[in-house]
Amino acid sequence: ETGVTQSPTHLIKTRGQQVTLRCSSQSGHNTVSWYQQALGQGPQFIFQYYREEENGRGNFPPRFSGLQFPNYSSELNVNALELDDSALYLCASSFHETQYFGPGTRLLVL
Amino acid sequence: RKEVEQDPGPFNVPEGATVAFNCTYSNSASQSFFWYRQDCRKEPKLLMSVYSSGNEDGRFTAQLNRASQYISLLIRDSKLSDSATYLCVVNIGEVTDKLIFGTGTRLQVFP
Repeated sequence: ETGVTQSPTHLIKTRGQQVTLRCSSQSGHNTVSWYQQALGQGPQFIFQYYREEENGRGNFPPRFSGLQFPNYSSELNVNALELDDSALYLCASSFHETQYFGPGTRLLVL
Repeated sequence: RKEVEQDPGPFNVPEGATVAFNCTYSNSASQSFFWYRQDCRKEPKLLMSVYSSGNEDGRFTAQLNRASQYISLLIRDSKLSDSATYLCVVNIGEVTDKLIFGTGTRLQVFP
């Protein structure tokens, strides 16, 4: 196992609601990246956090936001949920180049 | 045009077969390259990095052609346990890592 954990494992929300997903990185890893994986697609880069600051962002709207804490754990927040936000959300922690993924959170928006 | 393109498959091969996957990428400034493996309803796991000189890990061989912007993965002596989706991944970050994933190629190995 990678040592990266995510919670919750599954979540059901309705359109317009807000959601917070959590990630605990592998010990010693100071960088966390978040990805969205829709069914049948590869993971899409949302953003990356390094030492508590956003350090790169993909093509996602501002209603996707995040935080990283001093212990390097991280949160992904999504406001005003849309049906298309239904996906597997993956976080990956890294120290140098290699990223290690957590098991993901499956989000269903109804 | 997608930044990383792969044939989605599926590739259905018998045990013992050799199978090759290809991938092309559009960003010539890409820094590093990887193959990840993803089992059904699981997270991606790093299979191997890809170097210009080519590299091998057991039954797996990866090649990179920077001039053609082309990456390949060869699996020899396929096992049932190789059945998975193989994701071609390109790091286009300069200061930070920014991984761009292909849609993946599905492999099904049958007895």
